[in-house]
Amino acid sequence: QQQVKQSPQSLIVQKGGISIINCAYENTAFDYFPWYQQFPGKGPALLIAIRPDVSEKKEGRFTISFNKSAKQFSLHIMDSQPGDSATYFCAASDGGGATNKLIFGTGTLLAVQP
Amino acid sequence: DSGVTQTPKHLITATGQRVTLRCSPRSGDLSVYWYQQSLDQGLQFLIQYYNGEERAKGNILERFSAQQFPDLHSELNLSSLELGDSALYFCASSALGGTGELFFGEGSRLTVL
Repeated sequence: QQQVKQSPQSLIVQKGGISIINCAYENTAFDYFPWYQQFPGKGPALLIAIRPDVSEKKEGRFTISFNKSAKQFSLHIMDSQPGDSATYFCAASDGGGATNKLIFGTGTLLAVQP
Repeated sequence: DSGVTQTPKHLITATGQRVTLRCSPRSGDLSVYWYQQSLDQGLQFLIQYYNGEERAKGNILERFSAQQFPDLHSELNLSSLELGDSALYFCASSALGGTGELFFGEGSRLTVL
């Protein structure tokens, strides 16, 4: 029940295309859903996050779509660029203020071809 | 730069040995989290400390232990090392509550031969 399932494992997109990564969860106590971006040799860094009171959040070319009833959320990267090539992790937290620990998906390796 | 510092960056050791990984959190952050990243397991939560006390525990082996010191730096101790312990170990810090964002260091790569 603590798992977050992420797909696909890897993704190749042409420059200018749309990258879509999906995640699903079971624990209805999760109340915070971030996406982290990780470049080789670096630690993960927060890209964008959403809470379940909204169905969509957009920041620049990055959008999270959230479906509470289906317990799914996804990351859309519009106009994908070679600089977006990285590993993307979805995550979820049920901290409720006592802890901010994150449960991560298994990651998606995105390659944007020029 | 996240503001989280981890040392050492790389460590090579033999099976059966013991190592200590060190983490300095961002200035002002009271919470420290340890994660293990391996190719087949992704990012696995190990343990969290808040202001010196254990706050949450994940899939941390009994051979592993951690602590957070009064100056808020944390250490992860890995003992009786096995080949399967080879991985990247990340430390993250956060202000408890707040936005929920974790700030990750650049990791310590452990290789057990």
